[in-house]
Amino acid sequence: GNSVTQMEGPVTLSEEAFLTINCTYTATGYPSLFWYVQYPGEGLQLLLKATKADDKGSNKGFEATYRKETTSFHLEKGSVQVSDSAVYFCARLNAGGTSYGKLTFGQGTILTVHP
Amino acid sequence: KAGVTQTPRYLIKTRGQQVTLSCSPISGHRSVSWYQQTPGQGLQFLFEYFSETQRNKGNFPGRFSGRQFSNSRSEMNVSTLELGDSALYLCASSTGVFENEQFFGPGTRLTVL
Repeated sequence: GNSVTQMEGPVTLSEEAFLTINCTYTATGYPSLFWYVQYPGEGLQLLLKATKADDKGSNKGFEATYRKETTSFHLEKGSVQVSDSAVYFCARLNAGGTSYGKLTFGQGTILTVHP
Repeated sequence: KAGVTQTPRYLIKTRGQQVTLSCSPISGHRSVSWYQQTPGQGLQFLFEYFSETQRNKGNFPGRFSGRQFSNSRSEMNVSTLELGDSALYLCASSTGVFENEQFFGPGTRLTVL
C-alpha cells in the first residue's frame, strides 16, 4: 500500500546546527511529496512540495529532493533557528482513483532547537 | 486571500452525544478533505468532498459522516460519540486538481468526556 516512514524523534539541536529529517515512501504510483510543519496549537502549514522525480522543493531555507531511486524525500536545513522548533510531517498524495484528496502522513518528527 | 477557517475551535461533549464541525475552504477551492489527528494514531484521512460529492473515504466507522454545500463549505458529523473520538479534527482545501497541495485550517479540538 501507500505509506510514508519518517525518522523517529525527537530531534534536539543547537541553533545554527544542520538539520536532516529522513523520509521514505513506498514506491507505488507516482505520488507528489510534501513536507508540512505544525506549531503548537495550530494546524498544518505546507512547507514545501515536489511533484516528480528529481524535483527539489525549497522554502524558508528548508530543502528536500524527490529521489525515486531511493524512494526518499529527506528534509534539510543548513542552519536552524529556535523558531524552527515544531513538528514536521512528511506526506504523499497519489493522483486520482481511490486516492482523491488523501494525504498519507508519516508519524511526525518533533524538532527542538536550543539557543 | 483568506485561509481555511474551522468552527468551532474547541468543543467538549459527553459520550453518546453527536457533534457537527464546520470548514470553510479558501475561496475558489472546490475540494475539502478531513483528517483526524491523535497522539496514538497520528494523522488519518476521514473523507474528501469535491463539488458536493464524496470522492474518497478513509477507514472510519459510519458514525463519521460529512457533506459539502454548493459554496464548497463542508461539515462533518460524528454521532454517538466515544471517548476515543477525542482528537484534533483538521480540514484542508485544495483546487481538487490531481497532485495539488492542500491547505489546512487551524483545526477543531474535540474532547469527549
